[in-house]
Amino acid sequence: ENLMTQSPAILSAFPGERATLSCRASHSVGTDLAWYQQKPGQAPRLLIYDASSRATGVPGRFSGSGSGTEFTLTISSLQSEDLAVYYCQQYHNWPPYSFGQGTKMEI
Amino acid sequence: EVQLVESGGAVLQPGGSLRLSCAASGFTFEKYAMHWVRQSPGKGLEWVSLISWDGRSIYYADSVKGRFTISRDNSKNSLYLQMNNLRPEDTAFYYCAKEGRLDDYQFYYIDVWGKGTAVAVSS
Repeated sequence: ENLMTQSPAILSAFPGERATLSCRASHSVGTDLAWYQQKPGQAPRLLIYDASSRATGVPGRFSGSGSGTEFTLTISSLQSEDLAVYYCQQYHNWPPYSFGQGTKMEI
Repeated sequence: EVQLVESGGAVLQPGGSLRLSCAASGFTFEKYAMHWVRQSPGKGLEWVSLISWDGRSIYYADSVKGRFTISRDNSKNSLYLQMNNLRPEDTAFYYCAKEGRLDDYQFYYIDVWGKGTAVAVSS
């Protein structure tokens, strides 16, 4: 199983600041990586796929980068509505599809 | 608008059985693979199972293999999860989710999630 490790577990930042979330895979996944946002009380929502492609309707302040085992989700200018837990997920080595444990974004 | 609506969640005792359903609309259901993903209270996401567009390819997480069965009825735009021999650790919110990419038997990311249905297993 490809283990996904996210850091930090909790990230606190102020509106307007830049936030950088990390995701590390135990084995290379190429660019087969997605990021999801889960706001309190809601289902997850796809933000990024193929490591760097924004999903439909996702604001431009969200960007993804990386390949192999190291990936980053960047929120360029935090908004209050970005309060959420962010998960990475690999789809290179399956099954199983493995998710990271999440990074909780506090604004 | 693409919609996935789960139903069938319940409270039940260990060893019990339950069938979850997911009604899909707003897209050509028969063309897409589908997933079930669960989330235990206060915890992260755990992928449970997936089924190809035609039902010929099916995969399970080790934690549910032999106890859960995924199926679909393309004529009814519906996805199912039959859960047998339930354990307390199966307590979770269960999400129905749509595969994000069209491919026969290769699977990728999830692009649409339902709102979920709650399953609680307790004596």
